[in-house]
Amino acid sequence: DGGITQSPKYLFRKEGQNVTLSCEQNLNHDAMYWYRQDPGQGLRLIYYSQIVNDFQKGDIAEGYSVSREKKESFPLTVTSAQKNPTAFYLCASSIAGQGTQQFFGPGTRLTVL
Amino acid sequence: DQQVKQNSPSLSVQEGRISILNCDYTNSMFDYFLWYKKYPAEGPTFLISISSIKDKNEDGRFTVFLNKSAKHLSLHIVPSQPGDSAVYFCAANPGGTYKYIFGTGTRLKVLA
Repeated sequence: DGGITQSPKYLFRKEGQNVTLSCEQNLNHDAMYWYRQDPGQGLRLIYYSQIVNDFQKGDIAEGYSVSREKKESFPLTVTSAQKNPTAFYLCASSIAGQGTQQFFGPGTRLTVL
Repeated sequence: DQQVKQNSPSLSVQEGRISILNCDYTNSMFDYFLWYKKYPAEGPTFLISISSIKDKNEDGRFTVFLNKSAKHLSLHIVPSQPGDSAVYFCAANPGGTYKYIFGTGTRLKVLA
C-alpha cells in the first residue's frame, strides 16, 4: 500500500529539548514538504525538498532543520530555538513538476510542555 | 501578507443544496490552483485542481471556477452531502517551484 507515514501521531516534549518528527513515503516521489498548522490558520510551509540532498526554506523555517539523505525520508527537527513549537505538523510529497497534487501524511501533534 | 485568502471561515448548507467556497489571491503569476479537503487531526486530501489557462474544471460533484481578472476562484459542490462536512483549503502554485501557498481554510457544515 503506497502512502506517507508520519510518526508518532502525538508527541510531548519538555521546553528546551530538540525533537525529530519522522516522515516516510513509498510513492517514489521526488519532492517532499513540511507544513505547520495552527488553529484558525492555513498550512504554512516550513521546508521543502525537490530532490535528494537538496532542500529550501519555506516561509517559517526559523527554529527548524531538515535533511534529505534518502528519497523516501524527510525528517524534521524542531529545535529549542523555535519559539512556539506546539502545533500540528504535516508532511507531504509529490511527483516532480508544477501543478501536481501533494499527498499528505496523517500529521503529528507536537505539544511542548 | 496573505497571498491566498479565504475570507469566509465557515459556511453552513442544507443537504442537497449547492455549497460555494471562495478563494482570492493577489499574485497574477500563480500558475496552478488546488482544492483540498481536511478532517480534524488528519492530513488534507486532494479534491480538484485547475490550471491558469482554464476557467473551469469539473470532477463529479465538484467544479472549480477561475476568474483570472478578478483573481478569484471558487469551488462548487452539488449536491452537498453530510460527508462533505470538513475544512476546505485552496492552494496556489507561484510558478518556478513545486511549492504551494495555502489559504486559511473554510469550514463547511452540511446539515442533514
